[in-house]
Amino acid sequence: SYVLTQPPSVSVAPGQTARITCGGNNIGSKSVHWYQQKPGQAPVLVVYDDSDRPSGIPERFSGSNSGNTATLTISRVEAGDEADYYCQVWDSSSDHPKVFGGGTKLTVL
Amino acid sequence: EVQLVESGGGLVQPGGSLRLSCAASGFTFSSYEMNWVRQAPGKGLEWVSYISSSGSTIYYADSVKGRFTISRDNAKNSLYLQMNSLRAEDTAVYYCARHKGGSGLNDYWGQGTLVTVSS
Repeated sequence: SYVLTQPPSVSVAPGQTARITCGGNNIGSKSVHWYQQKPGQAPVLVVYDDSDRPSGIPERFSGSNSGNTATLTISRVEAGDEADYYCQVWDSSSDHPKVFGGGTKLTVL
Repeated sequence: EVQLVESGGGLVQPGGSLRLSCAASGFTFSSYEMNWVRQAPGKGLEWVSYISSSGSTIYYADSVKGRFTISRDNAKNSLYLQMNSLRAEDTAVYYCARHKGGSGLNDYWGQGTLVTVSS
């Protein structure tokens, strides 16, 4: 089945830009979604279909997807952005179609 | 307002069974595909199962196939997960999540229900 690879952790200072990657074989041909999860809370969709934002999500959150890597970019990072972030794809050709990456812990220094 | 409320979690012995429920409101439940996703303590998200809006198409993760059964009752706006032959590694918070669109995003999630498998 399809595998998504994320770095376990990313650290960034407040006000800087955080980039979280999600690697997968030809992931650029798939739609990638990103979720934010804070401790003790359910995941929240922050970017969908590679680069779209749900209503209520700040413009500081953006996404891109090309080749074998998708990227979630968080600009002007704030302390409140500290959370786990997961990428996800839907592999419609598989009978195990929903795949999550292993997650990345974003630490705001 | 879209709401998903899970229930049915608890402590169960290895080999036992449990049935989770997810009550949906605030949207036309019968029009949406649904998923169960779980998260073991300190671990990442793991997709468990998917069901189409009519219930005619179902998928399972290999880790639960043959032991878990997903179902839905559109008249009751409810999603279910029957879990049999439970193992310690099934211990997790179980979330129901609304599935939207052909690209398979999950736009709404419940608060989760904790299942603990232990003797």
